[in-house]
Amino acid sequence: AQSVTQLGSHVSVSEGALVLLRCNYSSSVPPYLFWYVQYPNQGLQLLLKYTTGATLVKGINGFEAEFKKSETSFHLTKPSAHMSDAAEYFCAVSANFGNEKLTFGTGTRLTIIP
Amino acid sequence: ETGVTQTPRHLVMGMTNKKSLKCEQHLGHNAMYWYKQSAKKPLELMFVYSLEERVENNSVPSRFSPECPNSSHLFLHLHTLQPEDSALYLCASSQEGGTGELFFGEGSRLTVL
Repeated sequence: AQSVTQLGSHVSVSEGALVLLRCNYSSSVPPYLFWYVQYPNQGLQLLLKYTTGATLVKGINGFEAEFKKSETSFHLTKPSAHMSDAAEYFCAVSANFGNEKLTFGTGTRLTIIP
Repeated sequence: ETGVTQTPRHLVMGMTNKKSLKCEQHLGHNAMYWYKQSAKKPLELMFVYSLEERVENNSVPSRFSPECPNSSHLFLHLHTLQPEDSALYLCASSQEGGTGELFFGEGSRLTVL
């Protein structure tokens, strides 16, 4: 069984500041990890994913995340926040044998302060 | 069209109405899903269809009835809904045996009066 914990349901950062959204996972097998973004009144869009290989994953819109097995973490970062980054972000995990359904975190709403 | 498309985007219905939500995926996937997203609640998986057969039903009330006529189309039939059913209903698709990555539609915003 898998689970995801997103620390902080709301995060506010100033425009141009570092964005850090935290995600910790629990999985009995090596996981596949995902970050999704949801803009207002829209569906979820894949931001980036980790399956195997390089632990630092780059995604769209300048976001990246690092898989740290020892810390069971997959935190999302962006060096410089932009107003357009305001959205809700979801971390998700699935088992790496491909048949397990995604388990989502409860989401973190990111607000950008001008 | 590409990706996953949902219609209608917005729906307002009374408690005695019957309506349907439609989802179509153009990605060649073999699994489709309905999720419910309510304010301040986690994403709730409602139904999963794999190869057109329902493989999961998470104790959803019978007033929600899914239909998957083929691997590209998914419907959610709605009848005698309650105001608490007002939510964003998201359709998604994936490829069984893949990474588990889901591709979502933009959602259908349902308001039950």
